[in-house]
Amino acid sequence: DIQMTQSPSSLSASVGDRVTISCRASQSISSYLNWYQQKPGKAPKLLIYAASSLQSGVPSRFSGSGSGTDFTLTISSLQPEDFATYYCQQSYSTLITFGQGTRLEIK
Amino acid sequence: EVQLVESGGGLVQPGGSLRLSCAASGFRFGSYDMTWVRQAPGKGLEWVSVISGGGDRIYYADSLKGRFTISRDNSKNTLHLQMNSLRVEDTAVYYCAKGLPQFAQLESWGQGTLVTVSS
Repeated sequence: DIQMTQSPSSLSASVGDRVTISCRASQSISSYLNWYQQKPGKAPKLLIYAASSLQSGVPSRFSGSGSGTDFTLTISSLQPEDFATYYCQQSYSTLITFGQGTRLEIK
Repeated sequence: EVQLVESGGGLVQPGGSLRLSCAASGFRFGSYDMTWVRQAPGKGLEWVSVISGGGDRIYYADSLKGRFTISRDNSKNTLHLQMNSLRVEDTAVYYCAKGLPQFAQLESWGQGTLVTVSS
């Protein structure tokens, strides 16, 4: 299986901060990388697909980059509603795998 | 509007069985891959299984070791997950999700159904 490793596991930041979350794959996955946001008690929500394509309806402060094995999710200016857990997911393999998640907390 | 509604969760003893369902509406169900993802309490997301729109391609997470079976009834717009030989570690919220082609992004998710395996 392709292993996905996110860093950091948790992060404290303030409203207005620029935040970056990293995701590394154990082998090259081209651009087959998606990002999700999950709030407590809710289902995950798709933010970014194909490494850098913004899902319809998602604010433009979210962006994704990377290819191969290293990927990044950036939130340009944190808003109160952005405090949540973020997951990367590879779909290069038919056996999909998720990263372990990054919990974004209010400082 | 896409809607996915899971049902069938509950409390089951170790070794028991449970069948989850996911009722879909708002899109052409038979044209899309459907996926089950689970989340143990306080843990991350774990992919469980995927079935193609026509039901001819099916994949499972290695960790399930043949205990789970995914299926779909396109005439009823319904997805199923048959879970047998349940273990305590199968306790989780189970989500169904609609996948999109090429990048298999999970565009829409249900609200989840809780499965608790305990004696």
